Amino acid sequence: QKEVEQDPGPLSVPEGAIVSLNCTYSNSAFQYFMWYRQYSRKGPELLMYTYSSGNKEDGRFTAQVDKSSKYISLFIRDSQPSDSATYLCAMSEVTSGSRLTFGEGTQLTVNP
Amino acid sequence: KAGVTQTPRYLIKTRGQQVTLSCSPISGHRSVSWYQQTPGQGLQFLFEYFSETQRNKGNFPGRFSGRQFSNSRSEMNVSTLELGDSALYLCASSLRGLADTQYFGPGTRLTVL
Repeated sequence: QKEVEQDPGPLSVPEGAIVSLNCTYSNSAFQYFMWYRQYSRKGPELLMYTYSSGNKEDGRFTAQVDKSSKYISLFIRDSQPSDSATYLCAMSEVTSGSRLTFGEGTQLTVNP
Repeated sequence: KAGVTQTPRYLIKTRGQQVTLSCSPISGHRSVSWYQQTPGQGLQFLFEYFSETQRNKGNFPGRFSGRQFSNSRSEMNVSTLELGDSALYLCASSLRGLADTQYFGPGTRLTVL
């Protein structure tokens, strides 16, 4: 079983929809949680970074971490065609340095 | 400030050959990490270098190795290439590693025939 599980999709939504992406994990030592966006033929780009449990909002993006359920989410409001990409969740332990453990990624398409 | 650069962007090799990939981190960043991305396994951590020392290592065979130079530039080497080594190899840099934000390069697409 993988340490981080993420539904690979694909997920297709109309422009303006609210998108919900999520990951579950099994390693209770994970303390840092990230969401990356990856466009085709590009490297991952950091979207959101949270430490431990709680919510964080940045523009149209909201990240939620529920450590008691080992569950993290990314919400995208008013989705745009330019949001079409693969979204990757990533996590790390305090003691693991910069070693990130990634989910498989969810492929999102926002249709105009 | 320039981002993380990786060279070459594309490589085609045959089984049994070896390959060297290069990564130039963002200026001032001292930590460089390498990841392998494949459709089946996703992004997997290879190793991290900080101040020319390997600080962390993933679960890859010894055919995968790396090094870091005094200017923080890093190289990774794969010897005796196998078909399964075909992947996108990504490099990420951060100031000190640990919990610092990691910035990824565009990757090197390696195809092994």
